[in-house]
Formats: sequence, structure tokens, C-alpha cells
Amino acid sequence: LAKTTQPISMDSYEGQEVNITCSHNNIATNDYITWYQQFPSQGPRFIIQGYKTKVTNEVASLFIPADRKSSTLSLPRVSLSDTAVYYCLVGAPGLQAGTALIFGKGTTLSVSS
Amino acid sequence: DAGVTQSPTHLIKTRGQQVTLRCSPKSGHDTVSWYQQALGQGPQFIFQYYEEEERQRGNFPDRFSGHQFPNYSSELNVNALLLGDSALYLCASSLAGRRYEQYFGPGTRLTVT
Repeated sequence: LAKTTQPISMDSYEGQEVNITCSHNNIATNDYITWYQQFPSQGPRFIIQGYKTKVTNEVASLFIPADRKSSTLSLPRVSLSDTAVYYCLVGAPGLQAGTALIFGKGTTLSVSS
Repeated sequence: DAGVTQSPTHLIKTRGQQVTLRCSPKSGHDTVSWYQQALGQGPQFIFQYYEEEERQRGNFPDRFSGHQFPNYSSELNVNALLLGDSALYLCASSLAGRRYEQYFGPGTRLTVT
């Protein structure tokens, strides 16, 4: 199971772009990188998933370099409502992986006006 | 399209009692996972059910057990409750081949006194 390391906290201001980096040095060939967002007293929400290069959706972009040992979640022009905990997960998508899904402590993003 | 639903929302139990939490997955999803989230921590994986069988299990004692029904809904049972079992219990559903893209319910807040 690939272990992930991400900053405990980050601060930003409204309108800025925020980049949260996750390190996963021992990522396996079949592993995908997935990010979740969690607001207080709510369940986590799936944001984005990728395998290599760049993935973009209406919420965020995910950048993955060629060696795949790290990834960066990019949130464009954050607002106060983006204040949340962001989790990076690494693992294989199918049931045959045989390992539990691991959420770390995540990165607490605080956006100020 | 209904998302993941959980019941009850809140629950207060006494140490030593037993509790059953319920979860209905998102329409079309066949895999259900359960998590425990203590205050200030990331969700901790308890177990995952697919085709009415426990497929993966995290580091939780046998006091934690579950069940999945033919309609894919699921129950989490915890016996001999301890004070340390107080937490937010989250249910998440997914498709078997995309288990990293999970949709979470609002959770059940369990308080053990």
C-alpha cells in the first residue's frame, strides 16, 4: 500500500489558486491517485482521480509527473466555501487489490477574505 | 437520484450495549464500505461489502460486524460498546471496479456514555 504525505495545513485568500502536493514515493504500477474533500460534520466528497499527466474537471485539476511519485491538486480561484480538509489517497481501483482504503489526516485548507 | 443515506443521524448508547447502523447506497452502486471517524482524524476503514460478503477489513476488532442485503443496503453492528467507539460512522458506496470513487453518506454520530 502506497503511503502518502501531505501538508497538515495551508492558508489562502479568496481568489487565489491553491496547490496541494501529495508525496507517494512507493506508488505501484496499478495505483490511481484520488482526492477527496471534507467539510465539517459531513462525509468526504470525491473530487478527482488520475493515473498520469493531467486531469481536469469542473472543480479542480490534478497534475501527476512522469515518475508518479507525487501529485498536485490545484484549486483555481478559491472561495471561502473551499475551506475544508483535503485527502490524497493512492491505490488500485478494483476489489482485488486486497488492501484497505487509507485516509490520512489530510490537509486543512483555510481560505480567508 | 438519491445519494447515500444513513440512519439514524444521531445515537446515544451506554457502554456495553449493542448498536446497529444502516446504510442505503447510491442508486446503481453495488459495493458498500464503512468508516469510523474520530474528531480531528481522517476516516478509518472498517470493512467493505460486495455481493453480500465482506471483501476487505481494516484493523477493527470482531465487535464490529456487518451485513449486506440483496438490495445492496448494509448494516454495521457494534457489540459491547466502549467509550472509544464514540465517533462519526460513515457509509460509502461505489461500483466494484471503481472503489476509489466512493460516495459518502452524511454519517451517524454515535455517542457512548
